[in-house]
Amino acid sequence: EVQLVESGGGLVQPGGSLRLSCAASGFAFLTYSMSWVRQAPGGGLEWLANIKLDGSGTSYLDSVKGRFTISRDNAMNSLYLQMNSLRADDTAVYYCARERPVTTPFPTRYYFDYWGQGTLVTVSS
Amino acid sequence: DIQMTQSPSSVSGSVGDRVTITCRASLAISSWLAWYQHKPGKAPRLLIFAASSLQSGVPSRFSGSGYGTDFTLTITNLQPEDFATYYCQQAHSFPYTFGQGTKLESK
Repeated sequence: EVQLVESGGGLVQPGGSLRLSCAASGFAFLTYSMSWVRQAPGGGLEWLANIKLDGSGTSYLDSVKGRFTISRDNAMNSLYLQMNSLRADDTAVYYCARERPVTTPFPTRYYFDYWGQGTLVTVSS
Repeated sequence: DIQMTQSPSSVSGSVGDRVTITCRASLAISSWLAWYQHKPGKAPRLLIFAASSLQSGVPSRFSGSGYGTDFTLTITNLQPEDFATYYCQQAHSFPYTFGQGTKLESK
């Protein structure tokens, strides 16, 4: 059974840092690209960052570029999100999600087929 | 960035009803669109990918259609477990973007 379990959320002051983790099990982690997605209170889903299966490439939402860093450890089946310079508007539930490749129609595109339950990050003084 | 606009923002229905949610992209995204179901405190669930392909394990009462900029999610024979918030998402290009969500409530 595919499982994604996030951890590391909590209360942090503005300007502070936090590192989120996502433990993956039930599938060959090193063969999938992964993403982080968040949901602010009362808001919708917002994609934040993506990392390729071997960690060779990353992409970010402009509003977190330079503050957040996505990484992975395939030996540990783990995904990470290092968050620095946190602001009040970063308060949200953070989800990790597996990206399923779909090759039809060409070219390959990716969809989030499994998600974790999320971890809450609260940025407040 | 590609903007995704869903309508309506909320819709109500009764068990057995047919419900339709629409999603419009700010530019053409071919069929690179997904639909997700999200319940409070739960992980979002992929329902439809590539605009019309049903994810494994998802009941056939869910269906998707559309191409280019206009897409539709249809739920037929509404069931009690279907009351949730639904999001569309474009997979055309980074940054991936979601619609603002449509809350399906019980009438």
